Amino acid sequence: DAKTTQPNSMESNEEEPVHLPCNHSTISGTDYIHWYRQLPSQGPEYVIHGLTSNVNNRMASLAIAEDRKSSTLILHRATLRDAAVYYCILRDVSRNGSGTYKYIFGTGTRLKVLA
Amino acid sequence: DVKVTQSSRYLVKRTGEKVFLECVQDMDHENMFWYRQDPGLGLRLIYFSYDVKMKEKGDIPEGYSVSREKKERFSLILESASTNQTSMYLCASCTSGYNEQFFGPGTRLTVL
Repeated sequence: DAKTTQPNSMESNEEEPVHLPCNHSTISGTDYIHWYRQLPSQGPEYVIHGLTSNVNNRMASLAIAEDRKSSTLILHRATLRDAAVYYCILRDVSRNGSGTYKYIFGTGTRLKVLA
Repeated sequence: DVKVTQSSRYLVKRTGEKVFLECVQDMDHENMFWYRQDPGLGLRLIYFSYDVKMKEKGDIPEGYSVSREKKERFSLILESASTNQTSMYLCASCTSGYNEQFFGPGTRLTVL
């Protein structure tokens, strides 16, 4: 199974951009890259996903390296509400014969936002 | 508003007890997942289901079983709870397109 590697923690000042890196050097050609975040005492929530091209939505931007071995989640202006654990996840085809997909979570990056 | 609900937020059980954790989704999703979350280990997949009565083992299925008799409901069963199953359990669901998983709030299970 392909795996992701993220820094354990990062800090950012409020109102400044944040770049959260993720390495996935063993990614396969069909693996989608997903990002989720988990606020305190809640289940994870979807942030963004992509395959090869950079992606933007109302929450964030996703920059994917040309070789797809790394990606970066960009929060354009961090707020105190963005303090959470951010997970970079690969969607992997199940090896158990059904052809279905499963998600491989890493340990995530804990983002601290300073007022 | 889309929803994944879990039967309990907090649960305390004794070693050897049979434990049922229930998850219900109201989005008509084909796929449902059970994860456990432990400090330093992130989320690990226990089992998932891609259709009614269909299931597949995840990365850590030992000590657990699952049941999916109806599309909206996915149950996680601990046949004989042990202290090393003390954890946060998270249920999720998604469509066959797999673009976004929706998570429940989690059940914090303590096995004494």
